[in-house]
Amino acid sequence: KAGVTQTPRYLIKTRGQQVTLSCSPISGHRSVSWYQQTPGQGLQFLFEYFSETQRNKGNFPGRFSGRQFSNSRSEMNVSTLELGDSALYLCASKQHMNTEAFFGQGTRLTVV
Amino acid sequence: DAKTTQPTSMDCAEGRAANLPCNHSTISGNEYVYWYRQIHSQGPQYIIHGLKNNETNEMASLIITEDRKSSTLILPHATLRDTAVYYCIATMNRDDKIIFGKGTRLHILP
Repeated sequence: KAGVTQTPRYLIKTRGQQVTLSCSPISGHRSVSWYQQTPGQGLQFLFEYFSETQRNKGNFPGRFSGRQFSNSRSEMNVSTLELGDSALYLCASKQHMNTEAFFGQGTRLTVV
Repeated sequence: DAKTTQPTSMDCAEGRAANLPCNHSTISGNEYVYWYRQIHSQGPQYIIHGLKNNETNEMASLIITEDRKSSTLILPHATLRDTAVYYCIATMNRDDKIIFGKGTRLHILP
């Protein structure tokens, strides 16, 4: 079956703009999580959605937001982009608790 | 989630077994040990997980000490494609978020 799909793979934006990233989880997976990876901070948890509800949120400013749709697809949005938002953004889906997470290939965002 | 400690980097000769240690001395009784790896610029990949017993799958073996304070991930016959950062995570996994540490950068030497 198809894996976790993230679009787009690469994105270049200008400071002050906003961006929306998309994640399609594995079919049947209802939990979707988002992570930011930078060379300095490593892999950091952003937020997690289950059945269209945000269940967990990491320590990121309010400029970072997300949502999940009824088909479990998820989007994350970053407003008022800053240079420091340049990162690899990863999405992961899980079937239920105590199972492994499956990650997408990520979206590499560059803010100039 | 319990804190885990891993060596920053390790080398292993191609074809040999790679043994990656992880210390999780504060792990609680209902926390699982998970291992993921990340090959350069790709998303992390699940390898294996366990609670108390040793586990084996097609990718690796996980050996957990009897007191559960440490574990070892074993890649039985390392290849160049196993070069990656390996993350050990101790988690109750109740809330579906993964707290990644720095991991171990494994270099497979030809």
